[in-house]
Amino acid sequence: EADIYQTPRYLVIGTGKKITLECSQTMGHDKMYWYQQDPGMELHLIHYSYGVNSTEKGDLSSESTVSRIRTEHFPLTLESARPSHTSQYLCASSDWPSGQGYNEQFFGPGTRLTVL
Amino acid sequence: AQTVTQSQPEMSVQEAETVTLSCTYDTSESNYYLFWYKQPPSRQMILVIRQEAYKQQNATENRFSVNFQKAAKSFSLKISDSQLGDTAMYFCAFSYVMNYGGSQGNLIFGKGTKLSVKP
Repeated sequence: EADIYQTPRYLVIGTGKKITLECSQTMGHDKMYWYQQDPGMELHLIHYSYGVNSTEKGDLSSESTVSRIRTEHFPLTLESARPSHTSQYLCASSDWPSGQGYNEQFFGPGTRLTVL
Repeated sequence: AQTVTQSQPEMSVQEAETVTLSCTYDTSESNYYLFWYKQPPSRQMILVIRQEAYKQQNATENRFSVNFQKAAKSFSLKISDSQLGDTAMYFCAFSYVMNYGGSQGNLIFGKGTKLSVKP
């Protein structure tokens, strides 16, 4: 079944550690996104990708980095985690641009990150 | 820049009743899309309903319908016959159409409305 996966679902880690949040999709989509969402707040786009070897920064500045070596895989990395990075991170994909003209995004379950 | 405003941080409704969630947006353009997304507790966000700005007819998906008032820049979501499974955060979102003015069609989200359906 086509879906979008994120691991881990929950992560508690100490300050200064390097972490990678995984995102994979079997939707066959070219475009992928990372959003940051604080509890009860809106989603902020931090990174997106049009396809392999393409990465762009989103509207919200982030210290994280992303890579897109394979179409289905879009990991997010924090080189040195800090308490200010504590948040929920949502991955999404879409088949934009599609013949439909609109950007329907499909979301993963999210990773809730806590940095102590 | 376009903005999306949801003025109701939290709402509650009794099961089987009807509830309306409000959303307003700001844009100077005439061609765009509006969406309502649902984020259940600890579950994936899913698209509930979509409205194309150039279509005057309000979109409907089963128990979910919208009231799209383009001149007022208003896009409310009505949930009829509310069910316990409707309990979730609801996000209103906006995007321009593909390649309009250089837009990549990225979504702009409101802050969300937390809806609780009570038995």
